[in-house]
Amino acid sequence: GDSVTQTEGQVTVSESKSLIINCTYSATSIGYPNLFWYVRYPGEGLQLLLKVITAGQKGSSRGFEATYNKEATSFHLQKASVQESDSAVYYCALSPSSNMGYKLTFGTGTSLLVDP
Amino acid sequence: ETAVFQTPNYHVTQVGNEVSFNCKQTLGHDTMYWYKQDSKKLLKIMFSYNNKQLIVNETVPRRFSPQSSDKAHLNLRIKSVEPEDSAVYLCASSSWENQDTQYFGPGTRLLVL
Repeated sequence: GDSVTQTEGQVTVSESKSLIINCTYSATSIGYPNLFWYVRYPGEGLQLLLKVITAGQKGSSRGFEATYNKEATSFHLQKASVQESDSAVYYCALSPSSNMGYKLTFGTGTSLLVDP
Repeated sequence: ETAVFQTPNYHVTQVGNEVSFNCKQTLGHDTMYWYKQDSKKLLKIMFSYNNKQLIVNETVPRRFSPQSSDKAHLNLRIKSVEPEDSAVYLCASSSWENQDTQYFGPGTRLLVL
């Protein structure tokens, strides 16, 4: 079946420094999957941060960016300068298509702590 | 702003008891989901509902049963809980046309003693 791998369980970065959170995926369905980053802020539910459905494209939101790299099967999340308010848990995810929500597969999440 | 509400936040019970978790969404969505997040933080889908009709049951044990009164509500009942049911249960919703953009509630943490 499909799988998403996030190797870092926790990352600590100083405020204003750059960030990269790694994500690789394996998809068994025909064609290229849709890729996502979801975020969970303290005390809130998971919410979509960004989504990319076309291989080679870049998605961006709130200063975060992620590029769909089909050759490397990666979808790393990056930000040039983090803020304390970015402290949250970030989940990489994939789905075979937009109308298969029950096939949304998540990674185990990376907890980001931004030191002030 | 929260739009998917779950109650209770936390529940402690003993093996063999019955529990029920509630979920309500105010987004006007027609599709709702229940996920289980285990101790390894892996999110696994349990059920998916569209307009009160079950469309997916990912081989969860029979003691789990979803209940929907309308498209805005999807509750989860567990008959005779077992220790391995200890987890965080997350409810989510989406539109039918855009199912992979889901909105999640804060979760219900269940501890079975």
